[in-house]
Amino acid sequence: QKEVEQDPGPLSVPEGAIVSLNCTYSNSAFQYFMWYRQYSRKGPELLMYTYSSGNKEDGRFTAQVDKSSKYISLFIRDSQPSDSATYLCAMSSGSNYQLIWGAGTKLIIKP
Amino acid sequence: SQTIHQWPATLVQPVGSPLSLECTVEGTSNPNLYWYRQAAGRGLQLLFYSVGIGQISSEVPQNLSASRPQDRQFILSSKKLLLSDSGFYLCAWRGGGQKETQYFGPGTRLLVL
Repeated sequence: QKEVEQDPGPLSVPEGAIVSLNCTYSNSAFQYFMWYRQYSRKGPELLMYTYSSGNKEDGRFTAQVDKSSKYISLFIRDSQPSDSATYLCAMSSGSNYQLIWGAGTKLIIKP
Repeated sequence: SQTIHQWPATLVQPVGSPLSLECTVEGTSNPNLYWYRQAAGRGLQLLFYSVGIGQISSEVPQNLSASRPQDRQFILSSKKLLLSDSGFYLCAWRGGGQKETQYFGPGTRLLVL
């Protein structure tokens, strides 16, 4: 079993829809959680960072962490075609300078 | 602000040829540096990371090597490329402190023929 599971998609939704992207993990020591967005042929860019449990909101993006269920989510409101990209989750226990990555979900927003 | 550079952007090399990819970071000191490889449509595979000059940790056995000759310079090398070395190579840096976030360069697309 992988430490971090993420559905690779593709996930295709119409413009304006609310998008929900998810990752599950097995290591209860993880306490730093990140979402990255990667456009085709580009490096990943940090989208959201959350420490421990709870919600964090930034514009149209909301990140949720449920440590009891070992489950993290990224919600995108009012999705735009420019949101079409691959979204990668990453997490860390903070003990070894490394991030553990999900495989990434390819998101397609249809105009 | 911090900036990370990678070059070249694209590289086509024959099997058996050597490789040298360079990564430099500006605007920070003593960063942790990382080399990742990403196969088409796949996630990120950590190849090497470095916490300081001359300090390299290898995560995956392969015919690649890494070096950190200066604080903000990280080099990925190979003496003889294999077909399986094709992929998208990404360099990343992490600053000090509790935050675990990494920041990525633009990547180098390598095609071995």
